Amino acid sequence: DIQLTQSPSFLSASVGDRVAITCRASQGISSYLAWYQQKPGKAPKVLIYAASTLQSGVPSRFSGSGSGTEFTLTISSLQPEDFATYSCQQLNSYPITFGQGTRLEIK
Amino acid sequence: QVQLQESDPGLVKPSQTLSLTCTVSGGSISSGGYYWSWIRQHPGKGLEWIGYIYYSGSTYYNPSLKSRVTISVDTSKNQFSLKLSSVTAADTAVYFCARFYGSESYSYFDYWGQGTLVTVSS
Repeated sequence: DIQLTQSPSFLSASVGDRVAITCRASQGISSYLAWYQQKPGKAPKVLIYAASTLQSGVPSRFSGSGSGTEFTLTISSLQPEDFATYSCQQLNSYPITFGQGTRLEIK
Repeated sequence: QVQLQESDPGLVKPSQTLSLTCTVSGGSISSGGYYWSWIRQHPGKGLEWIGYIYYSGSTYYNPSLKSRVTISVDTSKNQFSLKLSSVTAADTAVYFCARFYGSESYSYFDYWGQGTLVTVSS
């Protein structure tokens, strides 16, 4: 199985900050990576797919980059509604796997 | 707007079979192009893909659960279902159904149910 390791696991930041979350794959996955946002008690919501393509309706302050084994989700200017848990997901090879999540909290 | 809704089995006893159904509205499972999936999330943990099914009945399961999992589809009711046998406390989790889009270029889960907490306890 391809393991996805996110860093950091926990991030404390303020409204207006620029933050970056990294997802590292245990082997190359080309650009088969998606990013999700999940709020407590809710289902995940896709933000980015194909490593850098913004899902329709997602604010442009979210961006994704990377290929191969290292990927980054960047939020350019944090808004109050962005405090949530973020997870990456790969399908370069089965089984589909997810990262362990990064919890983003208000400082 | 596609919507998915899981059934709510609540409490399941150890060694029994967990059964869940996902009802899809706002779109037809039979239209093709998507895989209908089950994903779970243990309390405070990351997401774990269980498996998915195509409207034709083709399935793909996570090898870690394959021996205990059956996913089926009922296109006449626009539903798909999960059965997980011989459950233990380790199967206590929130179970989500989701629609999965996969192509040669990219793949992702675009619509999700709200999730249902299944507790395994005697």
